[in-house]
Amino acid sequence: EVQLVESGGGLVQPGGSLRLSCAASGFSFSSYWMHWVRQAPGKGLVWVSRISLEGSSTTYAEVVRGRVTIARDNAKNTVYLEMNSLRAEDTAVYYCGRDWGSGYLDLWGQGTLVTVSS
Amino acid sequence: DIQMTQSPSSVAASVGDRVTISCRASQGISTWLAWYQQKPGKAPKLLIYAAFTLESGVPLRFSGSGSGTDFTLTISSLQPEDFATYYCQQAHSFPWTFGQGTKVEIK
Repeated sequence: EVQLVESGGGLVQPGGSLRLSCAASGFSFSSYWMHWVRQAPGKGLVWVSRISLEGSSTTYAEVVRGRVTIARDNAKNTVYLEMNSLRAEDTAVYYCGRDWGSGYLDLWGQGTLVTVSS
Repeated sequence: DIQMTQSPSSVAASVGDRVTISCRASQGISTWLAWYQQKPGKAPKLLIYAAFTLESGVPLRFSGSGSGTDFTLTISSLQPEDFATYYCQQAHSFPWTFGQGTKVEIK
């Protein structure tokens, strides 16, 4: 089955760190750019980051730049989002999505909830 | 950043109605636009990309149009499974940005 499955979310204190994972299956993972998009409770979608096919190129939204690192392991068919210095406003469901290079996310994971609270 | 503005924010419609959602970009994006459908508690689903290209498996009652700064998503005959929130997204330049969403509700 073609799917993306996120994991790693949870409750973390302000200033803390978390690493999200997104495991891909059923398709050629290394052929796709991968992205993270987040959605705060009751709010809209916000693009967070992207990584190129082999991981050599990364891009970040201004709101997370310097606090977040995206990485991928094509041998494990997994993309990661390392988040540091977390703030209350980072509370959201984090989705990973695949992009065949044309700029659109044609497959999304089910999301993982990150809650930043003391 | 390119700002995407959708209208209306919500629309109440009945099964069988024609529904139109607008999306305006703060600067020209050619046809670098996608539409997604999201149901409560679920991930977004790609409906249309490149402004008017229907994603595989998406019903033909969905269509997209527009270029430059003004775009439209049309549902020709609303079905029960179409009640959801719809988002536009520009892929012209980073950071990608989404509209604030349009909720299609039952009238």
